[in-house]
Amino acid sequence: AQKVTQAQTEISVVEKEDVTLDCVYETRDTTYYLFWYKQPPSGELVFLIRRNSFDEQNEISGRYSWNFQKSTSSFNFTITASQVVDSAVYFCALSEERFTGANSKLTFGKGITLSVRP
Amino acid sequence: GAVVSQHPSRVICKSGTSVKIECRSLDFQATTMFWYRQFPKQSLMLMATSNEGSKATYEQGVEKDKFLINHASLTLSTLTVTSAHPEDSSFYICSGGTAYEQYFGPGTRLTVT
Repeated sequence: AQKVTQAQTEISVVEKEDVTLDCVYETRDTTYYLFWYKQPPSGELVFLIRRNSFDEQNEISGRYSWNFQKSTSSFNFTITASQVVDSAVYFCALSEERFTGANSKLTFGKGITLSVRP
Repeated sequence: GAVVSQHPSRVICKSGTSVKIECRSLDFQATTMFWYRQFPKQSLMLMATSNEGSKATYEQGVEKDKFLINHASLTLSTLTVTSAHPEDSSFYICSGGTAYEQYFGPGTRLTVT
């Protein structure tokens, strides 16, 4: 069975601080996708990143960066110089191999509520 | 990018009535769509996989007779909550996509009074 663990439930930081959101996953699949989504108070999920299991390169997109390590089954997300607009719930998710490609059913972690104070 | 729409965005209904939620893919064909439910301050839990032209596949613990899913076309999947009760109040989100991208709808907030 697939499982995604986001051990942190709530994080509060002051603006401009860096913050790392942890994600640990479990799967028996050899091919899978990992995702991060942002959910602001409006409720709509905002796609941040998708990473397939064969691509362990870290990725940077502006203030966001992701560290994927298969050896520790982790896919951590770092926000550099956080801003108030980053306040939201962040979900890490894992897809199943039996669905090909990116359109797969996802197993979500419990989410991390990030509050960035001015 | 591709968009998935949901209608309605919010609905309030009385206990015992049925509510239909529509999920549309606006610029791609979706043979498979997914329905999730999210209770307040909780994670998204997959309810069912909607398959175009065939029966939906329900996750364990989800009552298929209560949550009717119809995927009659490549751009529309519907979820009908039958005989709704207050405990069905939740945020319902659908998703669909291609082999390369997955897109989530904006969600439907259902309140059963």
